[in-house]
Amino acid sequence: DAGITQSPRYKITETGRQVTLMCHQTWSHSYMFWYRQDLGHGLRLIYYSAAADITDKGEVPDGYVVSRSKTENFPLTLESATRSQTSVYFCASSEGQGTGDYEQYFGPGTRLTVT
Amino acid sequence: GENVEQHPSTLSVQEGDSAVIKCTYSDSASNYFPWYKQELGKRPQLIIDIRSNVGEKKDQRIAVTLNKTAKHFSLHITETQPEDSAVYFCAASLITGGGNKLTFGTGTQLKVEL
Repeated sequence: DAGITQSPRYKITETGRQVTLMCHQTWSHSYMFWYRQDLGHGLRLIYYSAAADITDKGEVPDGYVVSRSKTENFPLTLESATRSQTSVYFCASSEGQGTGDYEQYFGPGTRLTVT
Repeated sequence: GENVEQHPSTLSVQEGDSAVIKCTYSDSASNYFPWYKQELGKRPQLIIDIRSNVGEKKDQRIAVTLNKTAKHFSLHITETQPEDSAVYFCAASLITGGGNKLTFGTGTQLKVEL
């Protein structure tokens, strides 16, 4: 039972490069989320998804693209990486409504450095 | 949108003492308030949550109180232990058909000293 996994765990890339961060969950949770964590800002929502093919912007979506063709996967793409996107990225999932369980389960995180 | 403020940013207590972390939120419609604990280098993990129809919730040494009128909620940890040392985040959201979009506070670094 892997739960929720992220890959890669660490990534160094150059300014202007495209980078894709992967997120996979084995629970068949409906909702998935991407957050970035920066010192002094806590966790900020980038994008979220309510189901396959349904995505919406969060608080800080600029410079990021998401897709969700399958329930279990929710990749995050930085189309042209900038130094300001250096951060730790967390993916999360939750069952959502109907179950009464709103807990978000976080992946282990991806530390991204843009040089 | 929702704005969550969290205080203090750092908190140091002696083992066995109590710790209190406070948060305020701006959107009176918010109805779900979780608290997450994050140990160094680890992922955030839910430790307790409260819905807006409840004023207080306890789970062993941890309790959360909610004052909807004042729009603030607090985390109380009693009989602190060294393993309670971590960063704690409060969050707020409005649970709707669109799911559970959390807005987090900026975190409190709790250090429990022996």
